[in-house]
Amino acid sequence: EVQLVESGGGLVQPGGSLKLSCSASGFTFSNYDMNWVRQAPGKGLEWVAYIRSSGGAQFYSDSVKGRFTISRDNAKDSLSLQLSSLSAEDTAVYYCTRAYGFSVDADGSGLYYVFDAFDIWGQGTMVTVSS
Amino acid sequence: DIQMTQSPSSLSASVGDRVSITCRASQNIRNYLNWYQQKPGKAPKLLIYAASILQSDVPSRFSGSGSGTDYTLTISSLQPEDFATYYCQQSYRTPALSFGGGTKVEIK
Repeated sequence: EVQLVESGGGLVQPGGSLKLSCSASGFTFSNYDMNWVRQAPGKGLEWVAYIRSSGGAQFYSDSVKGRFTISRDNAKDSLSLQLSSLSAEDTAVYYCTRAYGFSVDADGSGLYYVFDAFDIWGQGTMVTVSS
Repeated sequence: DIQMTQSPSSLSASVGDRVSITCRASQNIRNYLNWYQQKPGKAPKLLIYAASILQSDVPSRFSGSGSGTDYTLTISSLQPEDFATYYCQQSYRTPALSFGGGTKVEIK
């Protein structure tokens, strides 16, 4: 079964740090780009961070750039997110997601284009920033 | 950054109703548009990618349409299990795949 399982969430004080982990199974982890998406209580989804399948490139939302670090260990099928300088605005459920590139002949021309989507999601891990 | 705006933010409907949700992008995203369904306490589930292609095992009562900046998710006959929150997502500007604000579909 294809699965992502997050861990590491909890209660942390403002200004503190936390490391989230995501364990992948059921697919060849090293073949896929991965992302973290978060959802504040009662709010919508927010993309947070991306890492290329090789680990060779990372991108972050402006809201976490310089404070969060995404990393992966392809030998251990694991993804991580290091959170630092946390504030109440970082309180959220954090989801680990797999990015899948769907090849589509969008216009019937025989030319295939890649459409990315998040096809597999973990169950999420809750991070609460509070004193 | 590409901004995604969904409307309405919530709606009430009855089982069997036809429901449509709109998503507008701040620029032309050339059908790079995904739709997700999220039920309370659960992770989102991919429904549609490339604006109109159903993900595996998604019921055919769901459909997607649109082009340019404007896209629509339609549920042809609302079922009890469809009451949920729906999100659109642009995948034109990678890797920052931004989401719309969500549309909550509630029981009338």
